[in-house]
Amino acid sequence: GNSVTQMEGPVTLSEEAFLTINCTYTATGYPSLFWYVQYPGEGLQLLLKATKADDKGSNKGFEATYRKETTSFHLEKGSVQVSDSAVYFCALSPLYNFNKFYFGSGTKLNVKP
Amino acid sequence: EADIYQTPRYLVIGTGKKITLECSQTMGHDKMYWYQQDPGMELHLIHYSYGVNSTEKGDLSSESTVSRIRTEHFPLTLESARPSHTSQYLCASSGGRRNSGNTIYFGEGSWLTVV
Repeated sequence: GNSVTQMEGPVTLSEEAFLTINCTYTATGYPSLFWYVQYPGEGLQLLLKATKADDKGSNKGFEATYRKETTSFHLEKGSVQVSDSAVYFCALSPLYNFNKFYFGSGTKLNVKP
Repeated sequence: EADIYQTPRYLVIGTGKKITLECSQTMGHDKMYWYQQDPGMELHLIHYSYGVNSTEKGDLSSESTVSRIRTEHFPLTLESARPSHTSQYLCASSGGRRNSGNTIYFGEGSWLTVV
């Protein structure tokens, strides 16, 4: 079946630290992969996406590379800011049923000044 | 920027009342979804629709109902609210003419508190 597993939080970092949030997936074929961010009291916003192996999605200093060999899509940022504090969700959409979306359980990031 | 709107954003209502959460999108998407989420926690799909007059129950059982009479509109109704319905409800959509892929877009959410 299809599923997404992401690291449990909360993750607490100091400002300007390097961020990695791990995400691995199970799917048949080549799904599309996504990272969403949710700020307090708001809905989910698309942060970045990748649709095929070795693609790198990037946005607002965040990056994630679609790794087929390790079935991973880890989120990274070189220097986090207090404003990056939010909950981050990894998600996939299967190749043969792109109307379905599978979300990880979310990772809360706290960035301290 | 996603064009999907939810009203009300915040609602406090008494037990037993009927409520409708509104969701509209202007992206021409044919697929729409309702998720239930406790603050910062995982998402639970409760309803989805692949087009007009099409509605299906999601993975999490819910006492709410939905309708899809127009492409752009996907309201969720609770006939008799209970405190256990207190949660955030997120509407989403995907697909359509303006979408370049299968990305799902979310509204800002409706926070429901039943007292």
